[in-house]
Amino acid sequence: GENVEQHPSTLSVQEGDSAVIKCTYSDSASNYFPWYKQELGKGPQLIIDIRSNVGEKKDQRIAVTLNKTAKHFSLHITETQPEDSAVYFCAASIRPGTASKLTFGTGTRLQVTL
Amino acid sequence: GAVVSQHPSRVICKSGTSVKIECRSLDFQATTMFWYRQFPKQSLMLMATSNEGSKATYEQGVEKDKFLINHASLTLSTLTVTSAHPEDSSFYICSAGLADSYEQYFGPGTRLTVT
Repeated sequence: GENVEQHPSTLSVQEGDSAVIKCTYSDSASNYFPWYKQELGKGPQLIIDIRSNVGEKKDQRIAVTLNKTAKHFSLHITETQPEDSAVYFCAASIRPGTASKLTFGTGTRLQVTL
Repeated sequence: GAVVSQHPSRVICKSGTSVKIECRSLDFQATTMFWYRQFPKQSLMLMATSNEGSKATYEQGVEKDKFLINHASLTLSTLTVTSAHPEDSSFYICSAGLADSYEQYFGPGTRLTVT
């Protein structure tokens, strides 16, 4: 089955700096790659996603890039703010066409310091 | 739109008892619901996939007789943890999706503590 690896496990940046989180996946059939933000004691919130027919997607301060050949995708957060502090999970979907089954990465704890 | 609720948000039960967790899609009809378990500082692990009107599909290693899933309608799925033990204490999260749709919408989670 699909295996998703995520790095780093923790990331500390100063407010205003950029943060980059990287994920790799194993199954070349995966074609949907969402990123979730999870705050303490809450469920994950979708912040951005990308499909395999696109190499890059941007939404304000957040961007995601996808390299299908290398089977890796990355989350980029620019101009970080304290409210960006949370745990971020990448995921990959192995079955398009039906309600997708997601495989999650191990998570990155991002801390934005003042 | 696409709001998923869970009830209760937290529950404490005694070892050996059963507890039911509800997952509802509030403003859409979900053809598929997913149940995840998350231990502290770990990732989400898929437990089972539930399609309305049919039996749930469990992931390897998840006991179907212990974690009973019912998906009676397009807006409600329930997870019952039977004969709970302290090792079942965890954060349980559901999500809902539509057929032929990539997106999953997650609930706020239920914190289960078994004493």
